[in-house]
Amino acid sequence: AQTVTQSQPEMSVQEAETVTLSCTYDTSESNYYLFWYKQPPSRQMILVIRQEAYKQQNATENRFSVNFQKAAKSFSLKISDSQLGDTAMYFCAFMKVTGNQFYFGTGTSLTVIP
Amino acid sequence: DTEVTQTPKHLVMGMTNKKSLKCEQHMGHRAMYWYKQKAKKPPELMFVYSYEKLSINESVPSRFSPECPNSSLLNLHLHALQPEDSALYLCASSQGILRRTSGFYNEQFFGPGTRLTVL
Repeated sequence: AQTVTQSQPEMSVQEAETVTLSCTYDTSESNYYLFWYKQPPSRQMILVIRQEAYKQQNATENRFSVNFQKAAKSFSLKISDSQLGDTAMYFCAFMKVTGNQFYFGTGTSLTVIP
Repeated sequence: DTEVTQTPKHLVMGMTNKKSLKCEQHMGHRAMYWYKQKAKKPPELMFVYSYEKLSINESVPSRFSPECPNSSLLNLHLHALQPEDSALYLCASSQGILRRTSGFYNEQFFGPGTRLTVL
């Protein structure tokens, strides 16, 4: 079974600062996909960034980047130059290559303080 | 078009009512999903349709009945719900399992959800 753990239920960061959200997972699969999704107070879930386990290079999308440590089964999200619009719930998700099912972490509520 | 639409946005129903939630996508995706989400919690998977066939049913009570009329539409029929069923119901879609190549992530695209209140 796959499990995803987000150990920080709530976090806050000052506007323009950098914050890192942690995610760890447990799996016996050798290849898989990892995702970070954002759900602002308006509630629509949107994809922030994605990573395939076979790719050693950490994914980046503008101000968002990940630190993927496959051996440690860790997939943390770094948000640089935090903006008020980054205030949201952030969910880490795992998916096997051979399946359609997401395994979500419990989420981290991030508040960006002006 | 990279959008998943859901109707209605809000729904209030009594425990004896029958209602339906609708979801639509025009991205050519062949996998569609229903999730239930409580406040500040992750989405809980309810059903997965793959190529219009029900592939996953996460032991959901029979008062929830999914239907996939075609590859673009997904319905969730509701009957005799309980107050504890009040939640945000999310629909999602993805390309589906059969198109796996390197760099193909099969990420899910979510709709805005239907806020359901059961009185």
